Amino acid sequence: DAGITQSPRYKITETGRQVTLMCHQTWSHSYMFWYRQDLGHGLRLIYYSAAADITDKGEVPDGYVVSRSKTENFPLTLESATRSQTSVYFCASGHGTYEQYFGPGTRLTVT
Amino acid sequence: DAKTTQPTSMDCAEGRAANLPCNHSTISGNEYVYWYRQIHSQGPQYIIHGLKNNETNEMASLIITEDRKSSTLILPHATLRDTAVYYCIVSGTTSGTYKYIFGTGTRLKVLA
Repeated sequence: DAGITQSPRYKITETGRQVTLMCHQTWSHSYMFWYRQDLGHGLRLIYYSAAADITDKGEVPDGYVVSRSKTENFPLTLESATRSQTSVYFCASGHGTYEQYFGPGTRLTVT
Repeated sequence: DAKTTQPTSMDCAEGRAANLPCNHSTISGNEYVYWYRQIHSQGPQYIIHGLKNNETNEMASLIITEDRKSSTLILPHATLRDTAVYYCIVSGTTSGTYKYIFGTGTRLKVLA
């Protein structure tokens, strides 16, 4: 089915480990986005991509790395996870920046 | 960056119109107003967006004041399934950088 999927849906990792969150969309949307959502906060933009091989920082990019070699995939990597990165991570995609379609989220816990 | 101010929570009777206000007094000329909602812990769902004219779609209407400093999202006949957190976002491109900032939103509870 067409849509946007995220994997894993739940992840527990230890401080200092590298972890990659995957995002895949089947709509051929040019734009993709990564957000994090913490208790008491709205969503905060981490990184976004306007097309394959084009990425840019959002509001809270520190500690994260992204890549986009294919239009349909936009992985987010935490190079050395910290407890402050415990959060729910949402991926989104869209033809432009106007209307974004969000995935189901990945709940990440860093111990 | 334009920021938004929304009430923390609102209640609405089922079948009545829900009017959700948003203040964005620092909005600049090229910035759009967007509305999303988030039901439980699901990913946010796009509702509507506009620049300066009022907009309507199958889900809602968006009323933007003439000075663009505030807007109202209207759900014409609220149902229990409309219970959610509603986010008002002002977004545009500043110096070539895209900004899309969610606030803490309004928690709408539709009452039976």
